[in-house]
Amino acid sequence: DAGVTQSPTHLIKTRGQQVTLRCSPKSGHDTVSWYQQALGQGPQFIFQYYEEEERQRGNFPDRFSGHQFPNYSSELNVNALLLGDSALYLCASSYRGTKNIQYFGAGTRLSVL
Amino acid sequence: EDQVTQSPEALRLQEGESSSLNCSYTVSGLRGLFWYRQDPGKGPEFLFTLYSAGEEKEKERLKATLTKKESFLHITAPKPEDSATYLCAVQEWHSGNTPLVFGKGTRLSVIA
Repeated sequence: DAGVTQSPTHLIKTRGQQVTLRCSPKSGHDTVSWYQQALGQGPQFIFQYYEEEERQRGNFPDRFSGHQFPNYSSELNVNALLLGDSALYLCASSYRGTKNIQYFGAGTRLSVL
Repeated sequence: EDQVTQSPEALRLQEGESSSLNCSYTVSGLRGLFWYRQDPGKGPEFLFTLYSAGEEKEKERLKATLTKKESFLHITAPKPEDSATYLCAVQEWHSGNTPLVFGKGTRLSVIA
């Protein structure tokens, strides 16, 4: 049973560029959440998708947007990249049930130069 | 206002030296408290979830406990392979899947 998979593993961009990160959830999961983790910090919630709609959003600007596809996979898009966007971007999947445990992928390391 | 505070920030133990990590939290209604282990450059790995005060969970050398204000992760006779950052997260009651709010983690080093 494949867990949560993310691609790419590493990415280098320059300021002002745009980036798209991808996530495939664990089998049987229908909800995808995205987190940003700066070095030495805990993950911070960006947004969550369920039934192809953004359901909740953390304190991130509109430059961060996303999408969920009918097969539950998801994309995170970041426009007009800033140096401060350099971080590990984590995708977590869960089932919208009572236990609500979120399982994380290995992340995408984004470096903005 | 921080909802989740973990202490200590870093902990260095000799192999076999037992200790505890602390996670204190403030939420209006706790749906669940989660412990994750994170190795450098990797995603968090789920360890435990606790739902009500008094609950305890165990896995190998790790034991997690929960009170109304804090959770402890007890590590008994640790080994070097237990070295990692341990993250605590809380989830509040809300319809649907609410996001996890994480602490900054405790970096554990176990020396042989």
